[in-house]
Amino acid sequence: GENVEQHPSTLSVQEGDSAVIKCTYSDSASNYFPWYKQELGKGPQLIIDIRSNVGEKKDQRIAVTLNKTAKHFSLHITETQPEDSAVYFCAARGNQFYFGTGTSLTVIP
Amino acid sequence: GAVVSQHPSRVICKSGTSVKIECRSLDFQATTMFWYRQFPKQSLMLMATSNEGSKATYEQGVEKDKFLINHASLTLSTLTVTSAHPEDSSFYICSASRAGGPGELFFGEGSRLTVL
Repeated sequence: GENVEQHPSTLSVQEGDSAVIKCTYSDSASNYFPWYKQELGKGPQLIIDIRSNVGEKKDQRIAVTLNKTAKHFSLHITETQPEDSAVYFCAARGNQFYFGTGTSLTVIP
Repeated sequence: GAVVSQHPSRVICKSGTSVKIECRSLDFQATTMFWYRQFPKQSLMLMATSNEGSKATYEQGVEKDKFLINHASLTLSTLTVTSAHPEDSSFYICSASRAGGPGELFFGEGSRLTVL
């Protein structure tokens, strides 16, 4: 089956700086890669996604890049704000969804 | 759009009782819903996949008689934790995929179960 690895597990940045979270996957058949933000005590919220026919997608301060050859995709958050602090999960969908282990992002005011 | 509502958000029960958690897709029809369990500071662990009108498919190691799943309509799936024990205390989250959609997964707000 699919194996999704996510790094780093924790990340602290100063407000205004950029944050990058990386994930790798193993199944070349995976074709959809969403990113979720989970705040404490809440369910994950879809923040951006990318499909295998696209290399990059951007939505305001958030962007995702996909390298199908290397089987990795990354989340980029620019101009970070304290409200960006949360746990972020990547996922890859093949025959089902497989989730990364999560990255706890702390934005220091 | 694509709102998934989960209820209750928190529940405390005594050991040996049963607890039902509801998951509703509010503005779309969901042929498939998923139930996850999440331990503190860990990722989502898929428990079962629920398809409308058919029996749920459980992941290896998940007791189907303990975690009863019913997906009676295109907008509602329920998870019943039967004869709950303290080790069943956890954060349970449902998700739904829109029928006929491109395959995005939308999550409910989660339910915190505490078994005394």
